[in-house]
Amino acid sequence: EAGVVQSPRYKIIEKKQPVAFWCNPISGHNTLYWYLQNLGQGPELLIRYENEEAVDDSQLPKDRFSAERLKGVDSTLKIQPAELGDSAVYLCASAPGTAGDNEQFFGPGTRLTVL
Amino acid sequence: QQQVKQSPQSLIVQKGGISIINCAYENTAFDYFPWYQQFPGKGPALLIAIRPDVSEKKEGRFTISFNKSAKQFSLHIMDSQPGDSATYFCAARRGNTPLVFGKGTRLSVIA
Repeated sequence: EAGVVQSPRYKIIEKKQPVAFWCNPISGHNTLYWYLQNLGQGPELLIRYENEEAVDDSQLPKDRFSAERLKGVDSTLKIQPAELGDSAVYLCASAPGTAGDNEQFFGPGTRLTVL
Repeated sequence: QQQVKQSPQSLIVQKGGISIINCAYENTAFDYFPWYQQFPGKGPALLIAIRPDVSEKKEGRFTISFNKSAKQFSLHIMDSQPGDSATYFCAARRGNTPLVFGKGTRLSVIA
């Protein structure tokens, strides 16, 4: 079974440029998460989707970050404009549901470098 | 305020030794406590998890010890191997709320 797929794996951009990350969750998983992982830190939730609905986006900096999950499958996370402090790894995870101990499966992440 | 505090930040263990990583939490409503393992260039992967109704859970060489009164839980890796060298994250959640992660422990197992 294929795992969570993310692309690109690496992205280098100049500050103030836009950037987008794509995630394809495990087939059948209706819950999708985007996390931010800074160097030497644990993942921090940006947004959680249940199917196509964003049910928790309280930590998403909405002035520059946006996300969508059309048709409740693939998802895209966008930053516009990017800032130096946005350099980090952006992780996507999916789960079969949100019930208590449903395991979250993480993708390999997209490493963003903003110059 | 950090809800899950993890220590140590880094750990070096001899091959065959025991690796111990500790976590302390604040929210007594947390009811699920997983440990994740992350290798460089990979996403975190679930290693083992425990609920607060048991004090210990063992899966192979990995054991979680849980102390509800002290609000602490720890990961023990027995017979540590070089292949266990990775970053380990503890986490916690309440119900179906998102996981809250610790800052991670970088484990190096040396021969």
